Amino acid sequence: QQPVQSPQAVILREGEDAVINCSSSKALYSVHWYRQKHGEAPVFLMILLKGGEQKGHDKISASFNEKKQQSSLYLTASQLSYSGTYFCGTEIRDDKIIFGKGTRLHILP
Amino acid sequence: GAGVSQSPSNKVTEKGKDVELRCDPISGHTALYWYRQSLGQGLEFLIYFQGNSAPDKSGLPSDRFSAERTGGSVSTLTIQRTQQEDSAVYLCASSQPSTSGTYEQYFGPGTRLTVT
Repeated sequence: QQPVQSPQAVILREGEDAVINCSSSKALYSVHWYRQKHGEAPVFLMILLKGGEQKGHDKISASFNEKKQQSSLYLTASQLSYSGTYFCGTEIRDDKIIFGKGTRLHILP
Repeated sequence: GAGVSQSPSNKVTEKGKDVELRCDPISGHTALYWYRQSLGQGLEFLIYFQGNSAPDKSGLPSDRFSAERTGGSVSTLTIQRTQQEDSAVYLCASSQPSTSGTYEQYFGPGTRLTVT
């Protein structure tokens, strides 16, 4: 039931783009994205509902393909502040969120 | 307003002892979650409370783990006869459904449990 995230880790130079994928074996009601910096609690980024919507703020956006039971997080022109571990959480319409193992993103200057 | 608070922030205990971890959710949030995060690992779901409904305990790893939520607010996670593999950061989160039925979770700072 735990979603699978890929890649497990990414190293980028400042200004480069990245895509983080999240896939589930179950039909999903929503997908949640969080970012956790080292030693801190996870912080909410966005929620996507089924319907194939795409959301974004700043240069971070995400899409949700309910047919494929997949979501992707897009980081454009990455900044040093984007470094951290990104978690996707999936909901199968019972309000319970199951998180993936995370994708570690490291941005080099 | 105040965010989610957890206490203690750090707990060192001897193997075999019982521990209690406390979570104070954001006032008015009906949903409360407990997660466990081992070093470098993801967020492992433990238990979920929603309003007055029976909690979803499907993530508790063994019967040594239990949790309660009193008065729909404060929650306590109890680990009996602690084992070294219980060492982890225990995170609590709360949320409040929006009119669209979606919500974001607000996480507390966590309790770092070390079992020696």
